[in-house]
Amino acid sequence: DAGVIQSPRHEVTEMGQEVTLRCKPISGHDYLFWYRQTMMRGLELLIYFNNNVPIDDSGMPEDRFSAKMPNASFSTLKIQPSEPRDSAVYFCASSLSGDQPQHFGDGTRLSIL
Amino acid sequence: KQEVTQIPAALSVPEGENLVLNCSFTDSAIYNLQWFRQDPGKGLTSLLLIQSSQREQTSGRLNASLDKSSGRSTLYIAASQPGDSATYLCAVRPGNTPLVFGKGTRLSVIA
Repeated sequence: DAGVIQSPRHEVTEMGQEVTLRCKPISGHDYLFWYRQTMMRGLELLIYFNNNVPIDDSGMPEDRFSAKMPNASFSTLKIQPSEPRDSAVYFCASSLSGDQPQHFGDGTRLSIL
Repeated sequence: KQEVTQIPAALSVPEGENLVLNCSFTDSAIYNLQWFRQDPGKGLTSLLLIQSSQREQTSGRLNASLDKSSGRSTLYIAASQPGDSATYLCAVRPGNTPLVFGKGTRLSVIA
């Protein structure tokens, strides 16, 4: 099992640019989660999907953030336009069901200059 | 709103020592509680999951307990090793909703 795969591992870009983060969940997992981790705020849930359908996006900070899951094996988190305060590590996780352990990818470290 | 607190924020112990990490949560109406480990530059690895009806779970040198009524959980690590050095995060699932995480305890085990 390859685990949850995220790309890129690191992204450095200038403010105002569009950023797209990618995630491939574990095959067969029905739930996919996007988190953001910072020193100040810890790990925060941004949005999660069940069977490719967004269930709760209340954690998405503002309209500059959007997430899609076009199929069961792929999801994207997009920031447009990016700002320096978006700098953080973004994690994707998946789980078999809502009450099963979540499996995390290694994250994308995003730096907005 | 559910809040999860982990104390201490950082802990340093000599190799071989038994240790306890603490987690508290404000709302006792939880579905389950999980302990995770995070190594630097890596994602989270699930260590133990305790359902609300359970009191404890064990895996190797790790034992996690849950006291729902008092809103507390502990992670006990026996005979600590340098390889146990990592950040340990506690998370609760408040019903049919996603996990709420604490900010973690950064553990250093000194050889």
